[in-house]
Amino acid sequence: DAGITQSPRHKVTETGTPVTLRCHQTENHRYMYWYRQDPGHGLRLIHYSYGVKDTDKGEVSDGYSVSRSKTEDFLLTLESATSSQTSVYFCAGGGGSGGGASSYNEQFFGPGTRLTVL
Amino acid sequence: GEDVEQSLFLSVREGDSSVINCTYTDSSSTYLYWYKQEPGAGLQLLTYIFSNMDMKQDQRLTVLLNKKDKHLSLRIADTQTGDSAIYFCAESMSGSARQLTFGSGTQLTVLP
Repeated sequence: DAGITQSPRHKVTETGTPVTLRCHQTENHRYMYWYRQDPGHGLRLIHYSYGVKDTDKGEVSDGYSVSRSKTEDFLLTLESATSSQTSVYFCAGGGGSGGGASSYNEQFFGPGTRLTVL
Repeated sequence: GEDVEQSLFLSVREGDSSVINCTYTDSSSTYLYWYKQEPGAGLQLLTYIFSNMDMKQDQRLTVLLNKKDKHLSLRIADTQTGDSAIYFCAESMSGSARQLTFGSGTQLTVLP
């Protein structure tokens, strides 16, 4: 979905450094999500937001924090990166755009950020 | 707890039908989804089915839902090489933020 962009698309960092990934959406989605994708695990939810300044933890939230100061942007921060956080990170948005129950329950994904922690 | 399971690999010949299966455990699921992921890309929603439906057809795609067995399948008719990708099933519940729980994905390889 061209309405959701992520930056950076690739990043290599060292253990112990903080890292922030950005998700930007232009579709007025109410809900936003951060997932990580690892082989054999599919996508696992890290954190999500159900409105500006309203966030909650997902399945694998340890070591991550998020912030959403405006509708368009959802930031994911790795407070002190570890090698186990090497992964592909996807942002998604849903709800609030278009109309009808189906669009309200759909999630639209960004292109992903490949993060390598050395 | 929530758990969605899929087989990891499926190979078919071009022109044949593909059937990708998924089982889920949460009987309170409201919507069930099929997403497609091509190499290096994000996930693209293919189709979804509401939990009170048994079947949904959309061009070459047919989704079957067996609520009793908590089994979901995606059938792709006349499979093409462009259908080669990873297919994820996912479930959502009627919660405040419509979180999705994904399966681990099925790698579909279409052989010429």
